[in-house]
Amino acid sequence: DAKTTQPPSMDCAEGRAANLPCNHSTISGNEYVYWYRQIHSQGPQYIIHGLKNNETNEMASLIITEDRKSSTLILPHATLRDTAVYYCLIYSGGSNYKLTFGKGTLLTVNP
Amino acid sequence: DTAVSQTPKYLVTQMGNDKSIKCEQNLGHDTMYWYKQDSKKFLKIMFSYNNKELIINETVPNRFSPKSPDKAHLNLHINSLELGDSAVYFCASSRGTGSNQPQHFGDGTRLSIL
Repeated sequence: DAKTTQPPSMDCAEGRAANLPCNHSTISGNEYVYWYRQIHSQGPQYIIHGLKNNETNEMASLIITEDRKSSTLILPHATLRDTAVYYCLIYSGGSNYKLTFGKGTLLTVNP
Repeated sequence: DTAVSQTPKYLVTQMGNDKSIKCEQNLGHDTMYWYKQDSKKFLKIMFSYNNKELIINETVPNRFSPKSPDKAHLNLHINSLELGDSAVYFCASSRGTGSNQPQHFGDGTRLSIL
């Protein structure tokens, strides 16, 4: 699976949009971009995933660049409860079913 | 209802003991996983089962033995517990093994070895 690069930490004001970047320059054509978050030692929570197109669900939006070498997770209106470590992962499934977690980005939402 | 549930939530025991952690999912998924998160917060896959068959074993010591009695359950038995086994163990499940199948995690079992 391709490796990802994320900033170690970010801050965001409550009520504002949080934009979390991720670089995955070695991504292959069949690999999906996944985002998870972990709130204070709870289990990782699935947020969103995508292959080529931008995706949106009730939690967030995922913007993938046309060359697929980077992506941005957008939390449109961050709340204090969104403070967590956010993980960007590249996953191809197939014969390698494991998710490989990096260090992620600690997002702190400030009042 | 909790989608992926683990028991116990906390487990404190002495070195050398044998213990089990249970995991159940009510999502109707075919694939289940065990992950370990150490003190440095890195999450690593340990095992994966698809339709009750082992498909991933990530060089985990033989003291760790997963058991899947049915597709909804994946238990983890640990023999002769060591200090280094102290960690948080997460169970997860997914609909299948394809790249378009998100994994959903339980809340973890915090294992402390005295």
